[in-house]
Amino acid sequence: NAGVTQTPKFRILKIGQSMTLQCTQDMNHNYMYWYRQDPGMGLKLIYYSVGAGITDKGEVPNGYNVSRSTTEDFPLRLELAAPSQTSVYFCASRRDRGVFEGYFGPGTRLTVT
Amino acid sequence: QKEVEQDPGPLSVPEGAIVSLNCTYSNSAFQYFMWYRQYSRKGPELLMYTYSSGNKEDGRFTAQVDKSSKYISLFIRDSQPSDSATYLCAMSASGGSYIPTFGRGTSLIVHP
Repeated sequence: NAGVTQTPKFRILKIGQSMTLQCTQDMNHNYMYWYRQDPGMGLKLIYYSVGAGITDKGEVPNGYNVSRSTTEDFPLRLELAAPSQTSVYFCASRRDRGVFEGYFGPGTRLTVT
Repeated sequence: QKEVEQDPGPLSVPEGAIVSLNCTYSNSAFQYFMWYRQYSRKGPELLMYTYSSGNKEDGRFTAQVDKSSKYISLFIRDSQPSDSATYLCAMSASGGSYIPTFGRGTSLIVHP
């Protein structure tokens, strides 16, 4: 099992550009999550999904969009990138509800200049 | 007041020391209490969790929950340089989406 994979690992965007962060898991997990982590801060939930075709907003959804057409993939779209979106983005998945035994990807480091 | 408070550190200790990491919280509905370890430039990984209250031990690690004080702790005995990482606490309520609220993380440095 590869677990949770994310691409790209690093990216530099100019203000106003758009991009998609890819996330794929091979564990057949229904639940998937996108977090951002700013230096010295905890994880902030952007969007999550409880299954294919079902997504919902987290704590900081503005400036982002998601889709979930398959169980495996949960891409995060940034439209009109802003410097405030400079962060490290983590995708995670989990098998069940209850304890958050989240399997995290390695992260995407995004800089917007 | 934030829902989960955690001192970001850094906390620097000599090898072999007992380390105490702590979080406080304000939401009395929290039932799941988790500790994650995050190495530099890696994603977090679940280290331990407890449900409701009490202690849980796993090797050199002990997690404690005091719901009356809304206070949780992670103790690391005989700390090793390989324990150097950021430790994040996280908590969630039962029911609903079970989505946890994370603390800021405490940076731990264990020097030889």
